[in-house]
Amino acid sequence: DAKTTQPTSMDCAEGRAANLPCNHSTISGNEYVYWYRQIHSQGPQYIIHGLKNNETNEMASLIITEDRKSSTLILPHATLRDTAVYYCIVRVDAGNNRKLIWGLGTSLAVNP
Amino acid sequence: GAVVSQHPSWVICKSGTSVKIECRSLDFQATTMFWYRQFPKQSLMLMATSNEGSKATYEQGVEKDKFLINHASLTLSTLTVTSAHPEDSSFYICSARDTGYYEQYFGPGTRLTVT
Repeated sequence: DAKTTQPTSMDCAEGRAANLPCNHSTISGNEYVYWYRQIHSQGPQYIIHGLKNNETNEMASLIITEDRKSSTLILPHATLRDTAVYYCIVRVDAGNNRKLIWGLGTSLAVNP
Repeated sequence: GAVVSQHPSWVICKSGTSVKIECRSLDFQATTMFWYRQFPKQSLMLMATSNEGSKATYEQGVEKDKFLINHASLTLSTLTVTSAHPEDSSFYICSARDTGYYEQYFGPGTRLTVT
């Protein structure tokens, strides 16, 4: 079962920041939060991941609350090409393997 | 960098036949590869994890004799759907984890239609 919950869908105006929330209240202390996105009928694309601290890269910023029970992915200036399903995922370490447990994601529509 | 390819990108086969899907890491070595299945409007479901040179670890409910996984080299894993049935029609996606790193990089997916 997925360890995250996200809104089913969101809208954002082109050029504005898109803030995508995620709840992961049962996350364990050593489990990472990952964000991927999937454009229709394509493979998922890695965006960012973090454990405790906020993270930023060329694509997005990840804000993790101090209690680690929720996080927010920020796309600072959304474009039409950012329209996709965004998945917030907890990485589970199972023995020697690290598995990504996927939920249903948030369908983000960026509107002109 | 970190490009993963899949072949074929789509395939149509008749019920009862077998289909092989290839997953390649093009510019890195992947000790671990993952196979997922995705039905329309649903999320990705992990089917199995394969480590190079050893047997794949299947998720609960996934038939290992039906979905044969081979990970013979650090850049290639294959998934064979044996005796395919219409209910096996789905979008199959592989991912590869670069040795020494945690991120998974995904292939573009293979659309399988069984008639």
